[in-house]
Amino acid sequence: SQQGEEDPQALSIQEGENATMNCSYKTSINNLQWYRQNSGRGLVHLILIRSNEREKHSGRLRVTLDTSKKSSSLLITASRAADTASYFCATDPYNTNAGKSTFGDGTTLTVKP
Amino acid sequence: GAGVSQSPSNKVTEKGKDVELRCDPISGHTALYWYRQSLGQGLEFLIYFQGNSAPDKSGLPSDRFSAERTGGSVSTLTIQRTQQEDSAVYLCASSLSQGLNTEAFFGQGTRLTVV
Repeated sequence: SQQGEEDPQALSIQEGENATMNCSYKTSINNLQWYRQNSGRGLVHLILIRSNEREKHSGRLRVTLDTSKKSSSLLITASRAADTASYFCATDPYNTNAGKSTFGDGTTLTVKP
Repeated sequence: GAGVSQSPSNKVTEKGKDVELRCDPISGHTALYWYRQSLGQGLEFLIYFQGNSAPDKSGLPSDRFSAERTGGSVSTLTIQRTQQEDSAVYLCASSLSQGLNTEAFFGQGTRLTVV
């Protein structure tokens, strides 16, 4: 199964509300990244959090990382209709030279105007 | 170019035909990745290049899939004797160094449909 698994699979909220998505992974990691994908095409990098960091902010985004629980969360505050997209977490496994990252199946977020 | 460019953006091919997908990474990016995404699914790692060499080909689904990179720049992913299960969006990404310790930039993908 996937290294990263997002939860929930789908989330529908009203504009202005906060959206929280979670990601769990199985093996130790160097870092974890969150991406957004619109319309099933290219991914846009949102934020990277390293294994020695616990929280990171970028604008309306807040990412937390709990390495003891092997989980991360992405919080989008004051959501907008334009935030409607699929959100993926990607993990870069620890001590690998492969350079590959493992993506979960994503959370589909719908923000209703 | 300013971003990762993939061509074609859409490709419809008949079962059994060969297809070639192209990726132009961001200039100066040494690492290049190919992923495949089936409808409603996450990204499936296929192969990664560091320069012109591919240290990890473990994600290639079968020997019908191959990839090369020349001059440390453009990469092509070739699928021989295409099958309907090959239908997916093929995404390419590049980054300044290996791994995703630095940000990976994705292209818009090639949507492959095998009929």
